[in-house]
Amino acid sequence: GAGVSQTPSNKVTEKGKYVELRCDPISGHTALYWYRQSLGQGPEFLIYFQGTGAADDSGLPNDRFFAVRPEGSVSTLKIQRTERGDSAVYLCASSTGPAGGTDTQYFGPGTRLTVL
Amino acid sequence: EDKVVQSPLSLVVHEGDTVTLNCSYEVTNFRSLLWYKQEKKAPTFLFMLTSSGIEKKSGRLSSILDKKELSSILNITATQTGDSAIYLCAEAGGTSYGKLTFGQGTILTVHP
Repeated sequence: GAGVSQTPSNKVTEKGKYVELRCDPISGHTALYWYRQSLGQGPEFLIYFQGTGAADDSGLPNDRFFAVRPEGSVSTLKIQRTERGDSAVYLCASSTGPAGGTDTQYFGPGTRLTVL
Repeated sequence: EDKVVQSPLSLVVHEGDTVTLNCSYEVTNFRSLLWYKQEKKAPTFLFMLTSSGIEKKSGRLSSILDKKELSSILNITATQTGDSAIYLCAEAGGTSYGKLTFGQGTILTVHP
């Protein structure tokens, strides 16, 4: 079956621009997660959706970052006024959820964001 | 704050060698520990260990959870060049039911 898909695979933008990153979870998965991975580091949690609502957005670094999941399936991560420090691979994952931390998260291939 | 530390950070071996990767964690409310393999961008799931399942095995890979020592190991026997990857350890715990806290990863390189 189809796994988690993310688009675009690569995004190059200029400092100050607005970007949107899209995630399509595995069909039927109610939980969706966004992580950010900088070079040489493990993924860092950003936000977690259960259905349409953000159950935990404690990892969003500041108010330039926002994510939505209006119909409980596809999610979009939005970054305003991009900065060079936002350059990273943005990973999306989904799981059957909610299982109290014992449901496996399956990851997509990520979007590599480069801010010039 | 939850914390996961992996060691070594990198490892170079030859085909046929056996390797052991280490992961230690600090968490207030442990629920599970996961191992992932990352070759290009997408981490692929290997194992999940919980209080009710502290040992897992799949082919040449196996993993054990030591809840007393707050650690886990990932063993790979008879390594192959295709095992070359970054191996990530993550724990699910604390007050968030969705958040995984990852370690920095171990870069494994297997030479022919």
